Amino acid sequence: QQPVQSPQAVILREGEDAVINCSSSKALYSVHWYRQKHGEAPVFLMILLKGGEQKGHDKISASFNEKKQQSSLYLTASQLSYSGTYFCGTEILDQGGKLIFGQGTELSVKP
Amino acid sequence: DTEVTQTPKHLVMGMTNKKSLKCEQHMGHRAMYWYKQKAKKPPELMFVYSYEKLSINESVPSRFSPECPNSSLLNLHLHALQPEDSALYLCASSRRSADGNTIYFGEGSWLTVV
Repeated sequence: QQPVQSPQAVILREGEDAVINCSSSKALYSVHWYRQKHGEAPVFLMILLKGGEQKGHDKISASFNEKKQQSSLYLTASQLSYSGTYFCGTEILDQGGKLIFGQGTELSVKP
Repeated sequence: DTEVTQTPKHLVMGMTNKKSLKCEQHMGHRAMYWYKQKAKKPPELMFVYSYEKLSINESVPSRFSPECPNSSLLNLHLHALQPEDSALYLCASSRRSADGNTIYFGEGSWLTVV
């Protein structure tokens, strides 16, 4: 089952914050976040495994709710370099490494 | 080093051609993947190899034939493709640990079928 991402697109000014959500109808083993710039491969941002977990680096962080069905990616004080399409990828236990991606959120940061 | 190397970067092939995409990693990862990505869409899983054995085939047409000759290499053999198969083909690898199954992608091979 493909996870549902929202919003589909976001336009920000530099310095503004954004939240991208990813939800699943089933409890997940893990959720992965990637950023992909146009014409490039997806770049791994972070992975969350535990319900209630929060992690991050720099001004990009993510959370995983207690039921392990929803994750959010937080981008604070956005920079031009944050522009790109953000994908969440979800794994369900006992599906042998099958990572299924959400539809993506296109983020544009303007000066 | 989190490098997955794919060749070629660009490939144009006719519908009657036979070609191959190649992928290599030297991170000791025992799982390798092929994904297909069309413009403005998410990557779509095609195949998963685990310890050099095919573990997942997402009902991919037989004109795509994967091969894993050893733990570092993954190939995708292409034959009698259709124009709608034109896409970015992404190879990835991962190793499961206590921190999770982090999947690293290569730069991709852009395939155009004419």
